[in-house]
Amino acid sequence: QKEVEQNSGPLSVPEGAIASLNCTYSDRGSQSFFWYRQYSGKSPELIMFIYSNGDKEDGRFTAQLNKASQYVSLLIRDSQPSDSATYLCAVVYNQGGKLIFGQGTELSVKP
Amino acid sequence: AAGVIQSPRHLIKEKRETATLKCYPIPRHDTVYWYQQGPGQDPQFLISFYEKMQSDKGSIPDRFSAQQFSDYHSELNMSSLELGDSALYFCASSEGGKGSYNEQFFGPGTRLTVL
Repeated sequence: QKEVEQNSGPLSVPEGAIASLNCTYSDRGSQSFFWYRQYSGKSPELIMFIYSNGDKEDGRFTAQLNKASQYVSLLIRDSQPSDSATYLCAVVYNQGGKLIFGQGTELSVKP
Repeated sequence: AAGVIQSPRHLIKEKRETATLKCYPIPRHDTVYWYQQGPGQDPQFLISFYEKMQSDKGSIPDRFSAQQFSDYHSELNMSSLELGDSALYFCASSEGGKGSYNEQFFGPGTRLTVL
């Protein structure tokens, strides 16, 4: 079992809808959680990070963390075609800070 | 704002050759991470440096070595290249001293093709 799990998708939503991306992790000692967006052939771009249980909002993006359920999610409101990309969930376990990535969820926003 | 710089952006090598990838972190960032991303895969951690010392090591082959220099730039040296080394290699940088609570910013990557 992979340490960080995501649905690979593709997830298809209409323009203007809410896209919901989910991620689970196996290590209860995980300390910080990141969402990256990656366009094909490009580098990962940091969207959100969250360290504490609850919700964190930044513009159209909301990250949600539930450490008891070992679950982190990303909501994208008012989805735009430009949001079409692969979204990578990443977890940090230790002080060294290395990112452990999930396999990514491909999001397609249809006009 | 200044970003992470990687060079070269594209590199084509033959099997058994060597390659050197360079990474220049965001100014005032003292921590560098290297990741390898194969086709259709997620990025895999290779190695990291904090204040010019190796801080963590992942699934990096013995054929690879890396270091961080006094100006905080880092180089990944790859020898005896194999076909399976063909991948995107990303460098990420962050401000050190925050332990696990550090946001990493990725460079544009080096696409290595081994023929």
